Amino acid sequence: DGGITQSPKYLFRKEGQNVTLSCEQNLNHDAMYWYRQDPGQGLRLIYYSQIVNDFQKGDIAEGYSVSREKKESFPLTVTSAQKNPTAFYLCASSPGASETQYFGPGTRLLVL
Amino acid sequence: GNSVTQMEGPVTLSEEAFLTINCTYTATGYPSLFWYVQYPGEGLQLLLKATKADDKGSNKGFEATYRKETTSFHLEKGSVQVSDSAVYFCALFGNQFYFGTGTSLTVIP
Repeated sequence: DGGITQSPKYLFRKEGQNVTLSCEQNLNHDAMYWYRQDPGQGLRLIYYSQIVNDFQKGDIAEGYSVSREKKESFPLTVTSAQKNPTAFYLCASSPGASETQYFGPGTRLLVL
Repeated sequence: GNSVTQMEGPVTLSEEAFLTINCTYTATGYPSLFWYVQYPGEGLQLLLKATKADDKGSNKGFEATYRKETTSFHLEKGSVQVSDSAVYFCALFGNQFYFGTGTSLTVIP
């Protein structure tokens, strides 16, 4: 089946630790996105990538990093510089930058 | 700049009641407008969209009309079901996607 997968479903981070969230899509979409969702707030854009080996910062990129070495994959690393990482993280993809986005099931990150 | 404003929730309705969730937007140019739905613990799913003024998007009994004169894209459904309980997000695409804060809907039998 075509779709977007995110793993793990839940992730725990210790203080000072970097953690990486996985996002994979087999929809052959060019563009991929990472959003952060906090209770009572809308989605905020962290990073996006319109083509392989290229990505841009979104509205809240500080404390996060990404890579786009393959079209199918867009992993997000939450670094120790992100002081408030507890949130629900959503990955999305779209055929092109101005087209409908399709979302993965999300990863909930919790700090120990 | 671009932004989306949704009515605040939570909204609680009885089964078969009429639903309206208000959404207004601010944008330069002519954005595309969307409604997404999020069920508990899941990602967002596209519910419907409209790409130009006066377009009506519809899906699963939900409808929304792109009203440029009032900069609105209100979501409506004539008869809600328990299975419609979810959080609904209004969004626009200008140079990037902008999402509203979401409106939680609970439908009780």
